[in-house]
Amino acid sequence: EVQLQQSGAELVRPGTSVKLSCKVSGDTITAYYMHFVKQRPGQGLEWIGRIDPEDDSTKYAEKFKNKATLTADTSSNTAYLKLSSLTSEDTATYFCTTGMAHWGQGVMVTVSS
Amino acid sequence: DIQMTQSPSVLSASVGDRVTLNCKASQNINKYLNWYQQKLGEAPKLLIYNTNNLQTGIPSRFSGSGSGTDYTLTISSLQPEDVATYFCFQHNSCLTFGSGTKLEIK
Repeated sequence: EVQLQQSGAELVRPGTSVKLSCKVSGDTITAYYMHFVKQRPGQGLEWIGRIDPEDDSTKYAEKFKNKATLTADTSSNTAYLKLSSLTSEDTATYFCTTGMAHWGQGVMVTVSS
Repeated sequence: DIQMTQSPSVLSASVGDRVTLNCKASQNINKYLNWYQQKLGEAPKLLIYNTNNLQTGIPSRFSGSGSGTDYTLTISSLQPEDVATYFCFQHNSCLTFGSGTKLEIK
């Protein structure tokens, strides 16, 4: 069974960056595109982007191109999402997913001074 | 970007009812349409992929159909545990979610 374990909740200051991890077990991450999805409190889902861990190629939604950076480490079967220049608009739960099928539990990021 | 419009935004139905949720794309998405169920405080769960393929472990009361720009998710007999928000998601190009339909029990 494929399982995704995401890193813990973050409280971060405006203007800083945060890097979230997503560790996959039960399969190799090179078998999938790893996607990340944003959900603001009480709101819908936004697709951020995806990485192909096989060749590190990435694709981002237009609004996240200067906000998000996706990386992957095949040796640890882990994908990462880095969010930069954080503002209150980035306060949200962030999910990772293998091929948009199996999902992590989500990680809450709160941006506050 | 392809816009996905879901209707209704809120749906109230009785246990045992047949329920239909709609998703309309702003352009042809070639059946690259998934449906997700999200219960309060949980991660989304994949129900249907590529319009009409039931994900492993999902009850057969869930089904999907559609083509071109118009897609539907049907629950043949609504159960109390189906209370959730349902999102459609197109992965034809510039991947996007619909805004969701909140399903309630009368």
